[in-house]
Amino acid sequence: EVQLVESGGGLIQPGGSLRLSCVASGFGFSNYAMSWVRQVQGKGLEWVSSIRVGGGFRYYAESLRGRFTISRDNSKNTLYLQMNDLRADDTAIYYCARDLLDAYGDYVGSPHWGQGTLVTVS
Amino acid sequence: SYELTQTPSVSVSPGQTATITCSGDRLGTKYASWYLQRPGQSPVLVIYEDTRRPSGIPERFSGSNSGNTASLTIRGAQAMDEGDYYCQAWDSKTYEVFGGGTKLTVL
Repeated sequence: EVQLVESGGGLIQPGGSLRLSCVASGFGFSNYAMSWVRQVQGKGLEWVSSIRVGGGFRYYAESLRGRFTISRDNSKNTLYLQMNDLRADDTAIYYCARDLLDAYGDYVGSPHWGQGTLVTVS
Repeated sequence: SYELTQTPSVSVSPGQTATITCSGDRLGTKYASWYLQRPGQSPVLVIYEDTRRPSGIPERFSGSNSGNTASLTIRGAQAMDEGDYYCQAWDSKTYEVFGGGTKLTVL
């Protein structure tokens, strides 16, 4: 069974930093692209960042570029999101998701999601 | 930046057909996917690559995508289908984009 377990969230003051982790199990983590998606309470889903298999290709939402860094450690089956200079509007639940790509390497959906970790910036 | 627009809410009677739409510039040239998020739960992928259903998703869920509009159709809607539905597309410049969500009520 595919499992994604996020951790690292919590209460942080504005300007602070946090590193989120997502431990994967039940599949070959190193063979899959992964993403982070966040959701402000009561609001919609917002894509944050994605990383391809080898970690060489990383994508970010334009509004977050420069403050957030996605990375992965395939030896630990773990996805990370380093968040710096946090602001109040970064307060959200952060989900990690396993991505599905087509034969050309283009994203087509995320069939597996973790339960999320709450980040509160206040 | 690329944007996807959804109607905020849709209501359907049990057993009837619900259609949820998602619009975006030349959306038909991209792959659309759909997610259901029930209250307090993580999103669940119900349609990907416009029309494909992941394993475990009932056949009553179907999708289409053409022109500027992608649609999710739920035939024979059930109470368990209630929740927020989000469309998503991948764009080469803005990458993964979500629509604002549509709240489906079955009553």
